[in-house]
Amino acid sequence: EVQLLESGGGLVQPGGSLRLSCAASGFTFSSYNMAWIRQAPGTGLEWVSGIDSSGPTYYTDSVKGRFTISRDNSQNTLSLQMNTLRVEDTAIYYCAKGRMSRDGLDSWGQGTLVTVSS
Amino acid sequence: QSVLTQPPSVSAAPGQKVTISCSGSSSNIGNNYVSWYQQLPGTAPKLLIYDNNRRPSGIPDRFSGSKSDTSATLGITALQTGDEADYFCGTWDGSLSAGVFGGGTRLTVL
Repeated sequence: EVQLLESGGGLVQPGGSLRLSCAASGFTFSSYNMAWIRQAPGTGLEWVSGIDSSGPTYYTDSVKGRFTISRDNSQNTLSLQMNTLRVEDTAIYYCAKGRMSRDGLDSWGQGTLVTVSS
Repeated sequence: QSVLTQPPSVSAAPGQKVTISCSGSSSNIGNNYVSWYQQLPGTAPKLLIYDNNRRPSGIPDRFSGSKSDTSATLGITALQTGDEADYFCGTWDGSLSAGVFGGGTRLTVL
């Protein structure tokens, strides 16, 4: 059974940093693309970043230069380093397995809440 | 303002059929596969349809997907109260080099 478990969320001040992690199990992590999707309170889904199984990374415009996605295939872990956080980054962040271009995001974690506030 | 456009809400009676539209452009839906997600209240999204019209294992055939040019449609037949949820379409946008979602459609089963 595929399991994705996010951690690292919390309360941070504007301009601060946070690192999210996603522990994956139940599948061959190194073979799959992975992604981070967020959902601000009461709003829809926003694709944040993706990383191919082979390494290339992608970002939505609003986080380029501030967020960095990475993966550790030896630890089956996906990470999202978030710097220079803004109030508008406040959201539940979901880790997901798959790709938007094909196959879809077939497994999701339960999410971790990031709150950016002074 | 989402890249993909969905109606904010749809409603129908139990047992009836409903369709949810998702409109995009040649840079996204027109040249990539579309997937659909169901989000029940207070839960993480779940994949309903992938590659325009394919259902993952465990998804009942009451759910169907189609795509034509730069638009996609999710169909749900034999509606149940348990289908009340938010539904999102998604795809890849080649111009943005990013994933994109629709704004979501809330389904109410009256």
